[in-house]
Order: sequence, then C-alpha cells, then structure tokens
Amino acid sequence: EAQVTQNPRYLITVTGKKLTVTCSQNMNHEYMSWYRQDPGLGLRQIYYSMNVEVTDKGDVPEGYKVSRKEKRNFPLILESPSPNQTSLYFCASSLWTGDYEQYFGPGTRLTVT
Amino acid sequence: TQLLEQSPQFLSIQEGENLTVYCNSSSVFSSLQWYRQEPGEGPVLLVTVVTGGEVKKLKRLTFQFGDARKDSSLHITAAQPGDTGLYLCAGPMDSNYQLIWGAGTKLIIKP
Repeated sequence: EAQVTQNPRYLITVTGKKLTVTCSQNMNHEYMSWYRQDPGLGLRQIYYSMNVEVTDKGDVPEGYKVSRKEKRNFPLILESPSPNQTSLYFCASSLWTGDYEQYFGPGTRLTVT
Repeated sequence: TQLLEQSPQFLSIQEGENLTVYCNSSSVFSSLQWYRQEPGEGPVLLVTVVTGGEVKKLKRLTFQFGDARKDSSLHITAAQPGDTGLYLCAGPMDSNYQLIWGAGTKLIIKP
C-alpha cells in the first residue's frame, strides 16, 4: 500500500530534550516536506526537500532541522524543543515538486511542557 | 504576497442541506487543489482545478475554478455526516514550487 508513515503519533516531552520524528514514504517520491498545523493558522511548511541531500527552509524553519540521506526518509529534528513548538506535525511527499498532489502522513501530535 | 482566504471558517448544518465554501485570493493561480482532512488524519486530495471556469464533480461535491483563476468554490449537495471534516484549498506559488494553503473551513454535518 502506498503510504507515508510517521512515528511517533503522539509525543509529550519537556523543554530542551532533543527529539526526532521519523517520516518514510514508499512511493519513490522526489519531494518531501514537513508541516505544522495550528488552529486558525492552517498548514505552515517547516522544511522541504527536492531530492536526496537537497533541503530548504519553508515558512517556519526556526527551531527545526531536517536531513534527507535516503530518498524514502525525511526525519524532523527538534534539538531543543520549546512550548511554542507544541503542535500537530505532518510529513508529506509528492511525485516531483511541492505544487503536485501532496500525500500526507497521519500526523504527530507533539506537546512540549 | 499570495494569500488564500477561505470562508466560512466554520459551518455546522443538518444532514440533507446544501452548502458552499469559498477559497479566494487577489492573486492569479495556475491551479488550485482541494483537500479534505478528517479528525486524526492527514489531508487527502479531492480535486485539482486547472482551467478558468472549470467545473469538476465528485459525486455530491462540485468544484468550480473562477474565470479569472483567483477563486474557487466547493458546493456540497445533500450533505451527509460523512462529509464532516476540514476542507483546505491550496495553490502553487509563483516564485517556486511550493503550495500556499488556506486556513480551512471546518464543516460539521449533523445527523
């Protein structure tokens, strides 16, 4: 089954404790990205990757890191999480570029206390 | 700056009623995508409209792209509880290959 998977689905952590949210897609998509979704603000892109080893900032990259060492994986790293990073996070992939149909993962609900 | 504004932000109606939600911009878009997001899940693409004036139908859902390609609407006929969800529109930016997203319309259909 073609899908985007994310782990964990839920995470509660404390300020400053480094964490990684994994993302994997099995559709051989070139493009992957991370979004955060907050009430009233919609989806905001954090980082995206056009291909392996090619990443770029989205609209809200501060406090986040990403890497794309393999085509299928695109982990999101929070080196020192803060409470304002409490949000619902989505990984997405698309065939070629960011303006193609986006396939989303199920989401990761992160709470930073 | 390209923006997409969706209205209404929230809509709660009874099963069987008709409704229309809107996605508006002052900018021209080459295409617009509509997604539906159900609670606890990621958004899923419903349709992409590409040509000004285009109308696409998906069962009881009718999508229209404005003639000037600045706006789009989604009309649902005889809404069902299964239509409940967050409806998002998105369009490609001029400057790069990213999508701009509207904030969404949260739709609740009561049995």
